[in-house]
Amino acid sequence: KNEVEQSPQNLTAQEGEFITINCSYSVGISALHWLQQHPGGGIVSLFMLSSGKKKHGRLIATINIQEKHSSLHITASHPRDSAVYICAVHNFNKFYFGSGTKLNVKP
Amino acid sequence: DGGITQSPKYLFRKEGQNVTLSCEQNLNHDAMYWYRQDPGQGLRLIYYSQIVNDFQKGDIAEGYSVSREKKESFPLTVTSAQKNPTAFYLCASSFQSGGDNEQFFGPGTRLTVL
Repeated sequence: KNEVEQSPQNLTAQEGEFITINCSYSVGISALHWLQQHPGGGIVSLFMLSSGKKKHGRLIATINIQEKHSSLHITASHPRDSAVYICAVHNFNKFYFGSGTKLNVKP
Repeated sequence: DGGITQSPKYLFRKEGQNVTLSCEQNLNHDAMYWYRQDPGQGLRLIYYSQIVNDFQKGDIAEGYSVSREKKESFPLTVTSAQKNPTAFYLCASSFQSGGDNEQFFGPGTRLTVL
């Protein structure tokens, strides 16, 4: 049983498209994180949120605590957005990670 | 520049050998973590340390050992007892261990057992 489920697992888009990646979780959380992993393997943190919505450039993250669901949106997608996007939730002293959504944006 | 470094980037090991992966941070973070990543799976926690001279087992600690003698350093040893050690290993740190603390990740070490 996975505490964090992401969908879709793989996503291919054309440059300029609006993209949505979904994350559902089954545990109580203190915070939810969206991470980006590039092909070389390095991971960077995109967002950390516990309620509402955050925006950074073309990226928007939302969370619905009652429904235990979060979405990551990318507006005007670009080939450089191609990466694996990982949802992680924090419960007590532990992080639970989704298996990631592999995004490929074609020019 | 502040950040986390891991070395080496690629590591090859013969079966039966112990190997140590390095993780250093100069962010003055108290908490440090080791994760393992396998294809198609989420990151899994091996060990974590909330403060110097203290560390706790994660979900998959068997066959691994760590030390935290200095705040900046959290080396991971993959022992011969680890049955399937070939994987990508990521080190991370955060100011404190709570979930509202952003985790900063190192570039990772890809370990291959020959």
